[in-house]
Amino acid sequence: QLQLQESGPGLVKPSETLSLTCSVSGDSISISRSYWGWIRQPPGKGLEWIGTIYYTGSTFYNPSLKSRVTMSVDTSNNHFSMNLILVTAADTAVYYCARHKDSGVTAYQSWGQGSLVTVSS
Amino acid sequence: EIVMTQSPATLSVSPGERATLSCRASQSVSSDLAWYRQKPGQAPRLLIYAASTRATGIPARLSGSGSGTDFTLTISGLQSEDFAVYYCQQYNNWPLTFGGGTKVEIK
Repeated sequence: QLQLQESGPGLVKPSETLSLTCSVSGDSISISRSYWGWIRQPPGKGLEWIGTIYYTGSTFYNPSLKSRVTMSVDTSNNHFSMNLILVTAADTAVYYCARHKDSGVTAYQSWGQGSLVTVSS
Repeated sequence: EIVMTQSPATLSVSPGERATLSCRASQSVSSDLAWYRQKPGQAPRLLIYAASTRATGIPARLSGSGSGTDFTLTISGLQSEDFAVYYCQQYNNWPLTFGGGTKVEIK
């Protein structure tokens, strides 16, 4: 059974870099040939797509965050990661990693439990 | 960017009744539309993809319909687990976008 687990610091200072990793178990990132994504949800608000990465490393970013976000995949350790630079309080959110259904850019079938990241000095 | 608009923002329904949720896209997304349910403190759960296909384990009392720009999620015989927030999402075009959500609450 596929499981995704986000990890990273729960508190980040303004202007610093937010780094999160999604560890995948129960499936192989490279063998599954799936697309993997990051979505965030500010407290009490809706969902915002951050970006999607393919097992080959190809990336697709939300234009609203493109200048600040970088995603990468580590097939050897079966995880993928994201960095968001120059964070502000507006980046405070629960960050989810997820896998697209099947082998295309489709609906998000599997989600991690989410990781709350607070931006504060 | 395709804007997804959900209505109503809040829907008050009695247990056992039917709920009808709407999602409208600012331009055609064909049938590349998903519905999710989110309960407090939990990650969203996929309910419907390809506008009308139920995900694994989703009961038949949940149904999706529509194509192009107008979509509907219908929940018949509301049960306690159905009182939650529902989001639609299009995956037809980059950037992927979500609607603002509809909260289904107990009347």
